[in-house]
This record gives sequence, C-alpha cells and structure tokens, in this order.
Amino acid sequence: GESVGLHLPTLSVQEGDNSIINCAYSNSASDYFIWYKQESGKGPQFIIDIRSNMDKRQGQRVTVLLNKTVKHLSLQIAATQPGDSAVYFCAENWSRQGAQKLVFGQGTRLTINP
Amino acid sequence: DADVTQTPRNRITKTGKRIMLECSQTKGHDRMYWYRQDPGLGLRLIYYSFDVKDINKGEISDGYSVSRQAQAKFSLSLESAIPNQTALYFCATSDRKWYGYTFGSGTRLTVV
Repeated sequence: GESVGLHLPTLSVQEGDNSIINCAYSNSASDYFIWYKQESGKGPQFIIDIRSNMDKRQGQRVTVLLNKTVKHLSLQIAATQPGDSAVYFCAENWSRQGAQKLVFGQGTRLTINP
Repeated sequence: DADVTQTPRNRITKTGKRIMLECSQTKGHDRMYWYRQDPGLGLRLIYYSFDVKDINKGEISDGYSVSRQAQAKFSLSLESAIPNQTALYFCATSDRKWYGYTFGSGTRLTVV
C-alpha cells in the first residue's frame, strides 16, 4: 500500500550534536525523494531532495542518504541549532500511468536541548 | 508577499455551516493541491488539480469540494462542517519541472 513511514515520531538531541532522522518507504519504483521541514505555525518547507539514481546528496549542514536495497532514507543534520527544532517529513514521488504525486510520511519532531 | 497565500489563517465555525478556504499563488504553477494535517497522521491529500479544467479527488475527499477559479486560485469548501474536520489545512503548488511542492502557511480550522 501507499506508505512512507518514520521509525521514530520524536527525537531529542543536544545543541551542537548531529541529528539523524530516518524514513522507510514502501514503493520500490519511487524515483525521487524530498525532505521537508515544518516549523510551528508554518507550512512545510523544502530542505533537500535526491533522485533514485543517487545514494547521497549534501546541502548546507544537511545530508540525505538513500538506500534503495532496504528502501530507507535518512536526513542528517550537522551541528544542530535551536532553529532546527521542527517536524521533518520525508516524501517519495510516485509516477504512475502518466500521473505523479508525492506521498508524505507522518513526520518526526526534532527537539534541540540546550 | 508569499508565493502561496492561504486565507483565512485561522477560523472557528459551527457545526453545519458552510465554509470556504482560499488559496492563491504567484508562482505560475499549473498544479495545485489541498492537504489536511492532523496530529500523528501527517499530510493527507483531499483534492488536486493539474490545470483549470482538471479536478481530482484525493484520499479523503468526502465532505469537501473544490473550485479552480483560475490557474492561480484553488478554493476548498466544507459544505456542512463537522467537528472531525477540525484540522490544519494546507494548499500546495507544483509544476512539471520539479516534483516538489511549495506549501502555503496553512489555515487552522476549528469546528465547534
């Protein structure tokens, strides 16, 4: 069925530490993945994306890893800061019969402890 | 100005009332979406539109209707609001060039 799930609904880390947020996806044919960040009272905002022909992509303080063998996606945030506190969603792109849509996971709430 | 604007930001309405949530975008995207967000349930697709003449139901369309008045405008209506429609509603847009969506800031709807 359609599902993009996260292993942990909440994650607490110390300020300055690295964070790793995980995501399991179900459709082996998904060809594109996105991580979104949602701060309190705001809509989800794009962080980073990766195509299925890649296994790693780096941005500013963020890295996304894709393991297609086990259908697993992770978001690594280096040196977490208070502003990183948010809910993080992964999304996978389904393309089927000419149509395309994103399927979102439930989200992980990241809390940064001072 | 925001690329995707939702109005109102907050709304409290009574059971049985008709309510419309509006979304407008300045990104020039042809695709627009309405999502509902409930705690622990993530984002669920209500309706989507790939162009002005194209309207499609999502996974939870019952109790909702939409209107695509123009490429830039996509409104969501609750014909007779009920308390379990209390949620955060998001509009999003996309185009054919990139699979990602751009979201609005959301409308928090409370049905009492």
